[in-house]
Amino acid sequence: KAGVTQTPRYLIKTRGQQVTLSCSPISGHRSVSWYQQTPGQGLQFLFEYFSETQRNKGNFPGRFSGRQFSNSRSEMNVSTLELGDSALYLCASSLGDRGSSYNEQFFGPGTRLTVL
Amino acid sequence: GQNIDQPTEMTATEGAIVQINCTYQTSGFNGLFWYQQHAGEAPTFLSYNVLDGLEEKGRFSSFLSRSKGYSYLLLKELQMKDSASYLCAVYNQGGKLIFGQGTELSVKP
Repeated sequence: KAGVTQTPRYLIKTRGQQVTLSCSPISGHRSVSWYQQTPGQGLQFLFEYFSETQRNKGNFPGRFSGRQFSNSRSEMNVSTLELGDSALYLCASSLGDRGSSYNEQFFGPGTRLTVL
Repeated sequence: GQNIDQPTEMTATEGAIVQINCTYQTSGFNGLFWYQQHAGEAPTFLSYNVLDGLEEKGRFSSFLSRSKGYSYLLLKELQMKDSASYLCAVYNQGGKLIFGQGTELSVKP
């Protein structure tokens, strides 16, 4: 079974630009979560999508948004980039069944975003 | 608020045993995960605890006490390849996975 894939793996942008990152979950997984990882803040939850709907949201400004398609693939968008947005963006997929208390998340390799 | 605490870094010797502690205060509890993350790579799943007690998986064991908001990851027979960051994460009541800052473990020969 193929793992979680993310594209692109590396990205360099300048302040004020916008960026779109893509995540393809493991086949059969319906939940995709996005995280931002920085040395100072660690892994921080951005949002979760399940069946094309945002099911959960972290404490990030509205410049961070996402969506999920009918095939469970997900994209996240960051508009008006700031220097502080430089980070590793990880997505993770899971079955997403809220009825089960065990819902392991499988992480993709991440997209390394550098904002200059 | 949500708070997960782990030591920032630890050092241990090859062949030894090391215990990485994690304490948490979250809005509800639906399970605790431990992940391993090597530099430049994605986190990989190590263990999951939802009930009190010890879960053993090869060289790795994880313990949970829900009443104390406490967990630990025990690594036995340390190998050089175990040098990595170890992340403690809790599923809160709202279904969010909250991560600690991670513990950077260095294994020395």
